[in-house]
Amino acid sequence: DAMVIQNPRYQVTQFGKPVTLSCSQTLNHNVMYWYQQKSSQAPKLLFHYYDKDFNNEADTPDNFQSRRPNTSFCFLDIRSPGLGDAAMYLCATSGHRSSTGGYTFGSGTRLTVV
Amino acid sequence: TQLLEQSPQFLSIQEGENLTVYCNSSSVFSSLQWYRQEPGEGPVLLVTVVTGGEVKKLKRLTFQFGDARKDSSLHITAAQTGDTGLYLCAGGVWDGSEKLVFGKGTKLTVNP
Repeated sequence: DAMVIQNPRYQVTQFGKPVTLSCSQTLNHNVMYWYQQKSSQAPKLLFHYYDKDFNNEADTPDNFQSRRPNTSFCFLDIRSPGLGDAAMYLCATSGHRSSTGGYTFGSGTRLTVV
Repeated sequence: TQLLEQSPQFLSIQEGENLTVYCNSSSVFSSLQWYRQEPGEGPVLLVTVVTGGEVKKLKRLTFQFGDARKDSSLHITAAQTGDTGLYLCAGGVWDGSEKLVFGKGTKLTVNP
């Protein structure tokens, strides 16, 4: 089945130690998104790629970076994780600039910072 | 900044009851989507509504988009334990491409 796969499902990292989360998709979708979801809060868009075109949200901290080496893969890099970065990180894809077809989400990576 | 307010935040009901959850904003959205999220999983799309006043039905679930495209509701008839989950509404916002802004969600528990 075509899908969005996030690895790892659970990630524990030390305060200040760089960490990378990965997302892959077999849907051949043009657009890939990274959302941060903290407990009892709305998923918050960090950035997205339309093909290789990177779009950063204005309030996304510089500590968060992303790479998309090809259509299938997208990475979220947190350069110096703080305790406040502990959250569920969701990757999503869309086939078009328009969202009306809906997003396909991965299962998420739960990040713990110790 | 577009905000989507969902209510109620928590809802616990008995199996067989009906319920309605609401998604409200002061902003106009190009589309409105509803997702369901289970613990430890990503959201799964239930429906997209695009036209003001649009009503869509998905088995026991009825979704409505407000006439002004600022609000939406989700009505579940004869709730089942399998309906338990977090229901998220998300509004489409154009900024070069269309991005989704999410509400905080309604956590629904259906008790047997």
